[in-house]
Amino acid sequence: DIQMTQSPSSLSASVGDRVTITCRASQSISSDLNWYQQKPGKVPKLLIYAASSLQSGVPSRFSGSGSGTDFTLTISSLQPEDFATYYCQQSYSTPRTFGQGTKVEIK
Amino acid sequence: QVQLQESGPGLVKPSGTLSLTCAVSGDSISSSDWWGWVRQPPGKGLEWIGEIYHSGSTNYNPSLQSRVTISLDKSKTQFSLRLSSVTAADTALYYCARAHFSVSTWCFDYWGQGTLVTVSS
Repeated sequence: DIQMTQSPSSLSASVGDRVTITCRASQSISSDLNWYQQKPGKVPKLLIYAASSLQSGVPSRFSGSGSGTDFTLTISSLQPEDFATYYCQQSYSTPRTFGQGTKVEIK
Repeated sequence: QVQLQESGPGLVKPSGTLSLTCAVSGDSISSSDWWGWVRQPPGKGLEWIGEIYHSGSTNYNPSLQSRVTISLDKSKTQFSLRLSSVTAADTALYYCARAHFSVSTWCFDYWGQGTLVTVSS
């Protein structure tokens, strides 16, 4: 199985901050990396697919980059509605494993 | 608009079998998508369980493979999850989702609302 490791596990940030979350795969996954946002009590929502493609309807302050084993999700200017947990997922091979999540909290 | 809706018992006894169904609307279950299951124990992260293609081809998480079966009912446009020999560790919110091929990879673009299954006597 491909292991996905996110860092940090949690972070505190203020509205307007630039936030970066990292996801590392245990082996190369090309660009087969997706990012999801989950708010408390809500269903996960697809933000980014294929490492850097923005899902329709997702604000442009979200962006993704990387290939191979190292990936990042960046929120250029954190908004109040962005406080949530973010998960990466590799879709290179099955099982299509998720990272453990990064919780973004209000400072 | 694609919609998915999980249904099934919310309480299963230890050593029993968990059975859930996901009803799909707004898309053909025979389309070129995979249909999958993901679970989330209370307060924890997401775990990929497995997926099924319209041909009946399946992929399972090796950690669950000996206990899990995913099947498809095209006539009813739904797919199902069965997990046998459950323990308290299987208590989780279970989601069904559509895995769609976008650009160059598969991603879960539509999700059900999730259904909580508790394993307890």
